[in-house]
Amino acid sequence: GAVVSQHPSWVICKSGTSVKIECRSLDFQATTMFWYRQFPKQSLMLMATSNEGSKATYEQGVEKDKFLINHASLTLSTLTVTSAHPEDSSFYICSAPWAQGDQPQHFGDGTRLSIL
Amino acid sequence: RKEVEQDPGPFNVPEGATVAFNCTYSNSASQSFFWYRQDCRKEPKLLMSVYSSGNEDGRFTAQLNRASQYISLLIRDSKLSDSATYLCVVKGNDYKLSFGAGTTVTVRA
Repeated sequence: GAVVSQHPSWVICKSGTSVKIECRSLDFQATTMFWYRQFPKQSLMLMATSNEGSKATYEQGVEKDKFLINHASLTLSTLTVTSAHPEDSSFYICSAPWAQGDQPQHFGDGTRLSIL
Repeated sequence: RKEVEQDPGPFNVPEGATVAFNCTYSNSASQSFFWYRQDCRKEPKLLMSVYSSGNEDGRFTAQLNRASQYISLLIRDSKLSDSATYLCVVKGNDYKLSFGAGTTVTVRA
């Protein structure tokens, strides 16, 4: 079945560091991918829609210069958290839409980001 | 108003008990409905889709009431392994999903 691979699964780094998270679709092509963020005890919030070959679409309140998204190929989208600060610590998860069967989106395993 | 609202719980039930909880959604144009399960520090995993006529999958029963815009999930004969957070998820006519904050269920021995 379709799988989405996300890397790294856990990052701890110092404040001011930029962190890149990769999201790959395995065995299928994804012209669109989604990036979510989840704070403890809260719902997954859509941050942006990544579009292959064009600019990402950001949700209201999400800083596009802070969260850089690149969707350079049909199987890879990256999210870079630039100059990360402790308030950026969260669980980041990507997904790719899947038109077959009941599963509307396939999710990556998520990346737990901790900024010290 | 949030697009999807759920009772956060927690629901603390003994093994073998039945537990049920609801969620409400605000967008009457929503097309598809799902229950996902999320374990601590893990990605959400699809538990089941929710159909207008209601549907069962083993010990899990989902209901949809479009008129009142709510969805329910019932778990029968609870197992310890059912302990998780259950996310109510709604999909519009595009690919985007709206998530509830989750209902936490803890099944105790």
